[in-house]
Amino acid sequence: GENVEQHPSTLSVQEGDSAVIKCTYSDSASNYFPWYKQELGKGPQLIIDIRSNVGEKKDQRIAVTLNKTAKHFSLHITETQPEDSAVYFCAASTQGKTSYDKVIFGPGTSLSVIP
Amino acid sequence: DSGVTQTPKHLITATGQRVTLRCSPRSGDLSVYWYQQSLDQGLQFLIQYYNGEERAKGNILERFSAQQFPDLHSELNLSSLELGDSALYFCASSARDRGEQYFGPGTRLTVT
Repeated sequence: GENVEQHPSTLSVQEGDSAVIKCTYSDSASNYFPWYKQELGKGPQLIIDIRSNVGEKKDQRIAVTLNKTAKHFSLHITETQPEDSAVYFCAASTQGKTSYDKVIFGPGTSLSVIP
Repeated sequence: DSGVTQTPKHLITATGQRVTLRCSPRSGDLSVYWYQQSLDQGLQFLIQYYNGEERAKGNILERFSAQQFPDLHSELNLSSLELGDSALYFCASSARDRGEQYFGPGTRLTVT
């Protein structure tokens, strides 16, 4: 069945360094790729997303890249800050291809930013 | 704050019991999604309702059911609870039957 892999499962970086989280998906019909940040005790929060007709999208310190051929997409966080520490989930969805959005989440990456 | 509310925040119950979790979507959103999050299974999609009707089903057990009411709030009913049902249950909403999903704070269910 459809699957989303995510690496690494844990990531520690020094404050100010960059963090990169990578995901791969199996369903070639996937065309929408959101990223969620989940802080302890809270629900996942949508932080950025990208659609299959775009290769890169940036929002301040966060950027996402998509390689449809390789079925890879990545989250890049620059100038990390302690408040970036959280679990990050990637997801792949088939928006518009079926009568509903089938969203498959990756297993998550626990990011720790060390002050 | 996503605008999605869930109650209760915590729930402790015994095996074999039945519980109801409640979700109110963001104002104006027509779709409600239910997810289960456990340590070993990650975020698993359970079911989606759109404007009162079931739209999609994921890995939802037969012991679980949901509905969406005319005011668009939704309830997830879990029955014959087992220890393995202990998890965080999230509700998310979106404006239409597809699109960006916004998550609530979750209900932590503990089955003893």
